[in-house]
Amino acid sequence: GQQLNQSPQSMFIQEGEDVSMNCTSSSIFNTWLWYKQDPGEGPVLLIALYKAGELTSNGRLTAQFGITRKDSFLNISASIPSDVGIYFCAGPHAGNNRKLIWGLGTSLAVNP
Amino acid sequence: DTEVTQTPKHLVMGMTNKKSLKCEQHMGHRAMYWYKQKAKKPPELMFVYSYEKLSINESVPSRFSPECPNSSLLNLHLHALQPEDSALYLCASSQTRDRVGYTFGSGTRLTVV
Repeated sequence: GQQLNQSPQSMFIQEGEDVSMNCTSSSIFNTWLWYKQDPGEGPVLLIALYKAGELTSNGRLTAQFGITRKDSFLNISASIPSDVGIYFCAGPHAGNNRKLIWGLGTSLAVNP
Repeated sequence: DTEVTQTPKHLVMGMTNKKSLKCEQHMGHRAMYWYKQKAKKPPELMFVYSYEKLSINESVPSRFSPECPNSSLLNLHLHALQPEDSALYLCASSQTRDRVGYTFGSGTRLTVV
């Protein structure tokens, strides 16, 4: 079945550093979603990508939809302490786009 | 209003209790979802309602019973739960068009004792 492989599993960085994480799959996805989840809260949609090759920014965040449609990356520039959390990639199931396939998440810790 | 509101935020219940989780959105979204999430894991889909009709049940045990009274409200009725059902229960909503990004609520932290 469809799977999303997200890496790295965790990151510990210094404030001000740039961060990069990615998701890959052996299957094609038509949409890539990047969510951030703070402890005790629901995931918040950061960026949605709908077209192969698309590069989209949201403040200090930039995400790209891979040209093969099998991967996506998320970059965070000049990290700050409030960037701490778990970042998930997700994409719609091929058979039913009401179901999302999720990566296992990247846990980000930022040292002030 | 761009929020999904879930109540209660925390719930502790015994294995013989009956309780309900509530979810409300006023964004005009016609698809609503229940997810279960264990610590440090991605959310797991439980149920999907589309236009107030149940469209997906991910083989969830019958001790979880969803209800969609109208296009803004979604309930999850709980009965005879097990300790392993303790988790964060998330409600989400989305447009029913192709753009599938969900809006999630903050969740209900459920503990079954």
